[in-house]
Amino acid sequence: EAQVTQNPRYLITVTGKKLTVTCSQNMNHEYMSWYRQDPGLGLRQIYYSMNVEVTDKGDVPEGYKVSRKEKRNFPLILESPSPNQTSLYFCASSFYREHYGYTFGSGTRLTVV
Amino acid sequence: KQEVTQIPAALSVPEGENLVLNCSFTDSAIYNLQWFRQDPGKGLTSLLLIQSSQREQTSGRLNASLDKSSGRSTLYIAASQPGDSATYLCAVLSGSRLTFGEGTQLTVNP
Repeated sequence: EAQVTQNPRYLITVTGKKLTVTCSQNMNHEYMSWYRQDPGLGLRQIYYSMNVEVTDKGDVPEGYKVSRKEKRNFPLILESPSPNQTSLYFCASSFYREHYGYTFGSGTRLTVV
Repeated sequence: KQEVTQIPAALSVPEGENLVLNCSFTDSAIYNLQWFRQDPGKGLTSLLLIQSSQREQTSGRLNASLDKSSGRSTLYIAASQPGDSATYLCAVLSGSRLTFGEGTQLTVNP
């Protein structure tokens, strides 16, 4: 089944403890992206990648890191999480051509205490 | 910078009613527009994708239209059902960015 898989689905952590949220897609998509969703603010892009070893900042990149060493994987890294990073996170992927839509993962609900 | 607005923010209708959700965007230089459905605390499910060269797309009881020149799209839901209750999100692809509206929260009452 074609899909974007995120792990974990739920995560509670403490301030300052490094964490990684994984994202993997099995559709050979070039483009991958991370979003966070917050009440009243909607979905905002954190980082995106147009292909292996090519990443760029989205609208809210502060406090996050990403890497794209393989085409299928695009992990999101929080080096020192803070409570304002408590949010619902989504990974998405697409072919890097304008005629294709995006496929989203099921989301990761992160709570930083 | 692209901005996407969805009206209304919330909508409550009785079962069986036909309804229209609206989406507007500020920059008409888009590649495509995608409508998503999101159930509470869940992921985004793609409903319809309209290319910039298209006027509309249909899937079952759903019909989405696009007027790129005026920066507007509508999602028409026919014969609504309680199972249609969810948040509907509109997103436009321009440049390398997918920009979302804040969504319309739809409740269909039995």
